Amino acid sequence: GAGVSQSPSNKVTEKGKDVELRCDPISGHTALYWYRQSLGQGLEFLIYFQGNSAPDKSGLPSDRFSAERTGGSVSTLTIQRTQQEDSAVYLCASSLALASGGVVEMFGPGTRLTVL
Amino acid sequence: AQSVAQPEDQVNVAEGNPLTVKCTYSVSGNPYLFWYVQYPNRGLQFLLKYITGDNLVKGSYGFEAEFNKSQTSFHLKKPSALVSDSALYFCAVRPWGKLQFGAGTQVVVTP
Repeated sequence: GAGVSQSPSNKVTEKGKDVELRCDPISGHTALYWYRQSLGQGLEFLIYFQGNSAPDKSGLPSDRFSAERTGGSVSTLTIQRTQQEDSAVYLCASSLALASGGVVEMFGPGTRLTVL
Repeated sequence: AQSVAQPEDQVNVAEGNPLTVKCTYSVSGNPYLFWYVQYPNRGLQFLLKYITGDNLVKGSYGFEAEFNKSQTSFHLKKPSALVSDSALYFCAVRPWGKLQFGAGTQVVVTP
């Protein structure tokens, strides 16, 4: 597609359930990022995938959070045993470094997660 | 540690007046600085960035930002604000790939 897509757009779940959020980056973009936007915490970095390198997981808030990027394309962010404080908008972004030195980057529309 | 600060939670400005959204940074080495905008019910959009070169950076929608090394600032500016500029603006620094965002500044432009 023309941009980064995320699914679902909205997810309501009960506390303690597991959820999976999906990100389809722009084809050919080598880098993929997950961020979280929540009240009181602003925009937080979660995890970063760059090519075949080991991901930078330094932003994941707990071991309940994990992410995979299969085949260098689609990524899934999994939250196990969700808590109410996990409620947020989860944003995915992908980027490509250009030969000119610039970077093309685009954010997806986000998945709004509500944990009841 | 790399960080950015946006000292204002909200900026109110009348349409047609100049708009400034403040950002200060703390980085070691050369800063890679960015501004993003988030319109209601829409995703985050890139506005402009400073990597190196001219201190005045021009971006999308008529916005520009001035990199000031001595004041460690990267304020976003627009000479004449529009009602449609009402949105949430984020300053960010990019250490080693990932973006670190400021808390955001809500801009309200009144007719």
